[in-house]
Amino acid sequence: AQKVTQAQTEISVVEKEDVTLDCVYETRDTTYYLFWYKQPPSGELVFLIRRNSFDEQNEISGRYSWNFQKSTSSFNFTITASQVVDSAVYFCALSEDYGGSQGNLIFGKGTKLSVKP
Amino acid sequence: DSGVTQTPKHLITATGQRVTLRCSPRSGDLSVYWYQQSLDQGLQFLIQYYNGEERAKGNILERFSAQQFPDLHSELNLSSLELGDSALYFCASSEGGANEKLFFGSGTQLSVL
Repeated sequence: AQKVTQAQTEISVVEKEDVTLDCVYETRDTTYYLFWYKQPPSGELVFLIRRNSFDEQNEISGRYSWNFQKSTSSFNFTITASQVVDSAVYFCALSEDYGGSQGNLIFGKGTKLSVKP
Repeated sequence: DSGVTQTPKHLITATGQRVTLRCSPRSGDLSVYWYQQSLDQGLQFLIQYYNGEERAKGNILERFSAQQFPDLHSELNLSSLELGDSALYFCASSEGGANEKLFFGSGTQLSVL
């Protein structure tokens, strides 16, 4: 069965610290997609990144970077030089490709990040 | 702004009642998804519609139903409400399936008293 585990329930850092949010997934399929979403205090879920199972290249977008390792079934998210505006709940999610009959997103429980000034 | 509109933003009702949540997807998106977010269950997929037809079903209770209309807006109907149905209900949309980027609305906070 598909499963996404975000072991860190809450993380608190001081501004400018680097922080890594862990995500471990389980799936039996060879084709799947991994996502990160951000939920700021306003409540709306905001898409951050999508990665398919065949692309293990790490990605960097500004202060954000993602490390995808199929060998350990992990898709970790690092924020460099964190800022107060990064305070939010971050969700990792998994979907499987049913080849036309699209799957749905399985979300982890989320990691609440608090960045203090 | 994601382009997905959900109404109402807040809903307070009593046990046993029935409510309807409404969602207008992003322009051009054919898929609509409903998710429930609660403290104990987290974010749970309820149901997906694609161009008016049910495409996938998740942990949706029999007391809940949804539909997508020809203009692609969707409604989620919750009936015989129980205290445990109190949650934040999100609608999301995408051009096709869940493997794509989903655009989420701001949610409807349902409180059942």
